[in-house]
Amino acid sequence: EVQLVQSGAEVKKPGESLKISCKGSGYSFTSYWIGWVRQMPGKGLEWMGIIYPGDSDTRYSPSFQGQVTISADKSISTAYLQWSSLKASDTAMYYCVRRGSGYYLSAAFDIWGQGTMVTVSS
Amino acid sequence: EIVLTQSPGTLSLSPGERATLSCRASQSVSSSYLAWYQQKPGQAPRLLIYGASSRATGIPDRFSGSGSGTDFTLTISRLEPEDFAVYYCQQYGSSLMYTFGQGTKLEIK
Repeated sequence: EVQLVQSGAEVKKPGESLKISCKGSGYSFTSYWIGWVRQMPGKGLEWMGIIYPGDSDTRYSPSFQGQVTISADKSISTAYLQWSSLKASDTAMYYCVRRGSGYYLSAAFDIWGQGTMVTVSS
Repeated sequence: EIVLTQSPGTLSLSPGERATLSCRASQSVSSSYLAWYQQKPGQAPRLLIYGASSRATGIPDRFSGSGSGTDFTLTISRLEPEDFAVYYCQQYGSSLMYTFGQGTKLEIK
């Protein structure tokens, strides 16, 4: 079964650092882009950025450039989303997603992780 | 940056009725690059439609997508109880940039 399994919920204080993970299985991890999507409480979906684990080519949404770091370790089929200094406004559910393959499906996210809830509060 | 505007914000219908959800882009979008997702409470979104009109694996044929240019539509021909959820459109732009619409909530009337 093709799946993305994310790390568990986190509760952090403002100013702390955090790295959450997303492990792919059931497919060739290095052959598909992995993205991250934010959903703030009660709000819609926001695309944050994407990485190609095969060569670590990474792109960021202008809204998130410089705010987070996306990385991947292809040896363990895992992608990461990282903050160096969390803010209360980072409180949200974060989903990792797989970019599909093929001309049409490559414009969509065909597999979603279960989400990681990050709560930042003093 | 292309902005996607979905309407209505909330749609109240009964099971068995037909639902029509709209997604309008601020500039022309290739129909190859328009997708729709469904999100139920407490769950991750799932892909319904890609390439504006192709159903994703396992999606019932009561779901259909259409449109081109700046106007796209998701139609659910006959609503089932499990279809009441939030729906998002999404477009893919150049340089691997993606944008989501703000969502339409489909609720039971």
